[in-house]
Amino acid sequence: DVKVTQSSRYLVKRTGEKVFLECVQDMDHENMFWYRQDPGLGLRLIYFSYDVKMKEKGDIPEGYSVSREKKERFSLILESASTNQTSMYLCASSLITLNTEAFFGQGTRLTVV
Amino acid sequence: QKEVEQDPGPLSVPEGAIVSLNCTYSNSAFQYFMWYRQYSRKGPELLMYTYSSGNKEDGRFTAQVDKSSKYISLFIRDSQPSDSATYLCAPGSGGSYIPTFGRGTSLIVHP
Repeated sequence: DVKVTQSSRYLVKRTGEKVFLECVQDMDHENMFWYRQDPGLGLRLIYFSYDVKMKEKGDIPEGYSVSREKKERFSLILESASTNQTSMYLCASSLITLNTEAFFGQGTRLTVV
Repeated sequence: QKEVEQDPGPLSVPEGAIVSLNCTYSNSAFQYFMWYRQYSRKGPELLMYTYSSGNKEDGRFTAQVDKSSKYISLFIRDSQPSDSATYLCAPGSGGSYIPTFGRGTSLIVHP
């Protein structure tokens, strides 16, 4: 059974903290994505990686950075958490093949207080 | 204009109803069309995948694509409370690895 695993389901952090969200996939997928999902706004792409150490900015990269040191692991970093980063964060992965399905993790509900 | 437009709902229907969920898109390069289903507090999962125009049926679900009007539909027959979820359309082109998602429509099927 294919799997994308996010390290935490729920997280509460304080304003100004550095926050790490971890994502691991066991499908040997080349592509990995980080999205945030907010009511009424849908899924918005933060960052995308198509290979180890490679990254591309998505639609809303401000305030975030990413790290991909190993193929199976993609980390999202909030350098200095702010309340407007309270959201559901979803990690996904897919093959490098075009027109292919994206597999999602269960999501991390982050609350910044 | 966003590339993919989808009414967020919520759409509330009684059990057994036929449900129609719709998306419009602006990019004529889109060639393949996916529908994802997302249950509350879960990640989205692929429900249906179609290529180009036409219909595709899978059990109670039918996906329909009209490329001439850039309109995508998902029909659910004999809807069940277990169909209550958010449905996201995701059209894509042959030139990008990045899926494009609509905002999702929240569906509530009440007994």
